[in-house]
Amino acid sequence: DTEVTQTPKHLVMGMTNKKSLKCEQHMGHRAMYWYKQKAKKPPELMFVYSYEKLSINESVPSRFSPECPNSSLLNLHLHALQPEDSALYLCASSQPGQGARGYTFGSGTRLTVV
Amino acid sequence: SQQGEEDPQALSIQEGENATMNCSYKTSINNLQWYRQNSGRGLVHLILIRSNEREKHSGRLRVTLDTSKKSSSLLITASRAADTASYFCATGRFSSGSARQLTFGSGTQLTVLP
Repeated sequence: DTEVTQTPKHLVMGMTNKKSLKCEQHMGHRAMYWYKQKAKKPPELMFVYSYEKLSINESVPSRFSPECPNSSLLNLHLHALQPEDSALYLCASSQPGQGARGYTFGSGTRLTVV
Repeated sequence: SQQGEEDPQALSIQEGENATMNCSYKTSINNLQWYRQNSGRGLVHLILIRSNEREKHSGRLRVTLDTSKKSSSLLITASRAADTASYFCATGRFSSGSARQLTFGSGTQLTVLP
C-alpha cells in the first residue's frame, strides 16, 4: 500500500470541464510535488510545494492550478484542458533534510481529456 | 526538463542473469537516485547515492557514481521476472524552501524472461 494516496485513479473529462485531482499523505512530509508523465516518457516536474508554499512552478500553463490547503493535502485544479494534457499525473512527497529516503510517490491519476 | 539519458532504452534478459543500466546527467548534483515503475503505476524509490559516494549496495542492487563523468550505473544481480519494470535515474538538487528538485532520466525498460 502506498503512503501517498491519489484520487481519482482514473478521470475522463471534456475540454470545458472543471475537475480536481487530490493527493494526501500522512507521513509528516513538508514537501509535495506534482509530476506529469506521458506514455513511455519520464515524469516531468510541474509544481513543488515546500512548507505549504509554492516554491517551484515549471512554467506550467494556467489551466493547471495547484493548491496546498494544509501539510497533508495537495490538489491540482484542472480547467479548459486540451487533449494533449492526457497523461498520468503523479503526486509525491518528501521530507526536506531527509533526502536519503527519496521521494514517496502515489499511484497516480490517469487523466484522459476528450 | 529532462536531466539526462539512460542506456539502454530497453533491456531483455533471462531470469537469473544480471542487468546493468547506465545513466548520464548534465548538471551538478547533490545526489542521484534510482526508481522503479511498474506499468502505469507510481514510482518506487530503490536507492540513493550522494555526490561524495562512489558505490552503494542494497540487497541485489549495486549503484555506482562517477561525478567526473557525470554518470551512474545500476546493477541488479540474479534478476527475477518480478524485476520487469521501467527504471529511472533521477538527480536531486536543492531548490528554494529546502525542497529537493528531482529530475528524471529517460528510463530503461527491463524485461526479465522466465
